[in-house]
Amino acid sequence: DAGVIQSPRHEVTEMGQEVTLRCKPISGHDYLFWYRQTMMRGLELLIYFNNNVPIDDSGMPEDRFSAKMPNASFSTLKIQPSEPRDSAVYFCASSTSYGYTFGSGTRLTVV
Amino acid sequence: AQSVTQLGSHVSVSEGALVLLRCNYSSSVPPYLFWYVQYPNQGLQLLLKYTSAATLVKGINGFEAEFKKSETSFHLTKPSAHMSDAAEYFCAVSGRYSSASKIIFGSGTRLSIRP
Repeated sequence: DAGVIQSPRHEVTEMGQEVTLRCKPISGHDYLFWYRQTMMRGLELLIYFNNNVPIDDSGMPEDRFSAKMPNASFSTLKIQPSEPRDSAVYFCASSTSYGYTFGSGTRLTVV
Repeated sequence: AQSVTQLGSHVSVSEGALVLLRCNYSSSVPPYLFWYVQYPNQGLQLLLKYTSAATLVKGINGFEAEFKKSETSFHLTKPSAHMSDAAEYFCAVSGRYSSASKIIFGSGTRLSIRP
């Protein structure tokens, strides 16, 4: 099992550009979560899906953020337009019971 | 509502000494509790989890945690620290009976090991 796969590992973009982060969950896991980690705010849950359906997006900071899960094996987190304060490590995690498996994260830098 | 509070953002111990990382939880429903470890530039890895089967939970790498309902605590311990234990540790909570399994994380405790 390859685990939760996130791409890219690192992303540097200019303010105002669109950024798309990708996640492939573990096959058979029916929950998928997007977290953001910063020094100031720690680990924040942005949104999570159950069976490809968004369940709770109350953690999405602004309308600039959107997430989709078109099928059980793929999810995206999009930021448009990006801002320097979006710089963080974004983690995807999947689970089928209590206890997640995390991806290695995408380190986003917005300059 | 659920939350966890980790006491101490940074803990430093000598190699071979006892490791104690503190976590208190708040939950309106019976909780599941977790400890995760994060090594630099990596994702989070599950150390152990409490799901009510036993109050003393043993995890990987020699760590264990004890659920104490009366103290609303779930402290993480290891009898003898190793240099490789240096990492960030997160306590987390989720609701046992909730149909949603979202996990809420604490702010983390950075563990340093002195030679």
